[in-house]
Amino acid sequence: DTAVSQTPKYLVTQMGNDKSIKCEQNLGHDTMYWYKQDSKKFLKIMFSYNNKELIINETVPNRFSPKSPDKAHLNLHINSLELGDSAVYFCASSQEGRRGSYEQYFGPGTRLTVT
Amino acid sequence: AQSVTQLGSHVSVSEGALVLLRCNYSSSVPPYLFWYVQYPNQGLQLLLKYTSAATLVKGINGFEAEFKKSETSFHLTKPSAHMSDAAEYFCAVRPNSGGSNYKLTFGKGTLLTVNP
Repeated sequence: DTAVSQTPKYLVTQMGNDKSIKCEQNLGHDTMYWYKQDSKKFLKIMFSYNNKELIINETVPNRFSPKSPDKAHLNLHINSLELGDSAVYFCASSQEGRRGSYEQYFGPGTRLTVT
Repeated sequence: AQSVTQLGSHVSVSEGALVLLRCNYSSSVPPYLFWYVQYPNQGLQLLLKYTSAATLVKGINGFEAEFKKSETSFHLTKPSAHMSDAAEYFCAVRPNSGGSNYKLTFGKGTLLTVNP
């Protein structure tokens, strides 16, 4: 079983469209994240949810909206896609708190290409 | 505030040679430190972590790293490189507790190439 899964793996779309990326973890973790990896491989956190509550919200355009329906899922919706949104988006999860191990487990990534 | 500096965006070694990937961190609180590896077109895989137990940490695939507080370093080493080690390596830092800040800050990565 895949620990952290993302769909789709590849996403090609045109400027101005709206798209969503889904993430699911079966590790029983209480915290989930979205990262963006640019063309130079630089990884930057975008959002973090702990027990469905938004904890980290970095300087991200409000065209990006995360949604966590439950602890095992964290989706990312992007409105009005722009060329600069092209990147690889990674979902991750971790167990925090007193019983936490704190390491983050990453999904396989979603390569978004905006044309 | 926290940050990570990985010295050398590209390191090239011969097969069988020592691998040394450098990482220096800055953190306003005691840190947890991590090394991740990313193979082409894949996600990140945890190699090893330092969470304030032993300062010499052993990880998967023969890698290890030593936490040196006085030098604010967490360099990654492997005695003998294998062709399969060729990948991008990321060092990352976060505060040593949970609370409301789980932010993991990554370095810019070091691409390791292994020559036959």
